[in-house]
Amino acid sequence: NAGVTQTPKFRVLKTGQSMTLLCAQDMNHEYMYWYRQDPGMGLRLIHYSVGEGTTAKGEVPDGYNVSRLKKQNFLLGLESAAPSQTSVYFCASRGPRAPNTEAFFGQGTRLTVV
Amino acid sequence: GDSVTQMEGPVTLSEEAFLTINCTYTATGYPSLFWYVQYPGEGLQLLLKATKADDKGSNKGFEATYRKETTSFHLEKGSVQVSDSAVYFCALSGEGGKLIFGQGTELSVKP
Repeated sequence: NAGVTQTPKFRVLKTGQSMTLLCAQDMNHEYMYWYRQDPGMGLRLIHYSVGEGTTAKGEVPDGYNVSRLKKQNFLLGLESAAPSQTSVYFCASRGPRAPNTEAFFGQGTRLTVV
Repeated sequence: GDSVTQMEGPVTLSEEAFLTINCTYTATGYPSLFWYVQYPGEGLQLLLKATKADDKGSNKGFEATYRKETTSFHLEKGSVQVSDSAVYFCALSGEGGKLIFGQGTELSVKP
């Protein structure tokens, strides 16, 4: 049982380049989330999804897009990377449709934009 | 909007000391509350949770009580160990499925 898997684990981008981070979960969870973690800022919610085909904005959505075409996958895209997007990105999932269920996290993606 | 505020770290304690990490929240309705822990180089994992007022969550010697009147969910442990060194996050499950985290509190326990 793999749980939540993020790819890639590390990436260096040049300013203006684009990339997609993939999150895959094998627990049949409805809810999926993308966070960024920065020193002193904790985890900030970028976008989230409450089911296949749905997405919603979190606290810091600007500069990011997401898609949830399949229930098990949640993609985070950066169309034109900026140095301010240097961060560690975490994906999480939880389910079923209830507010008190545990979230499971991936191992993170360390992204550096130069 | 919904938010979580934690005491700032880092917190440095000696082994067997008593630990308190404060957490307060702002939310509409009655959210579920969580404490997550992050060990170096890893993702977050659930430590404990409480889903309604006056509930007490507990795990591995850690405890937290959901206090609606003070909108708080403080984390406590009676005797910390070196292996408890980590970053601790308070979180709430808000409206529409959002899961909102505080800024995290780094704990360092010295032998």
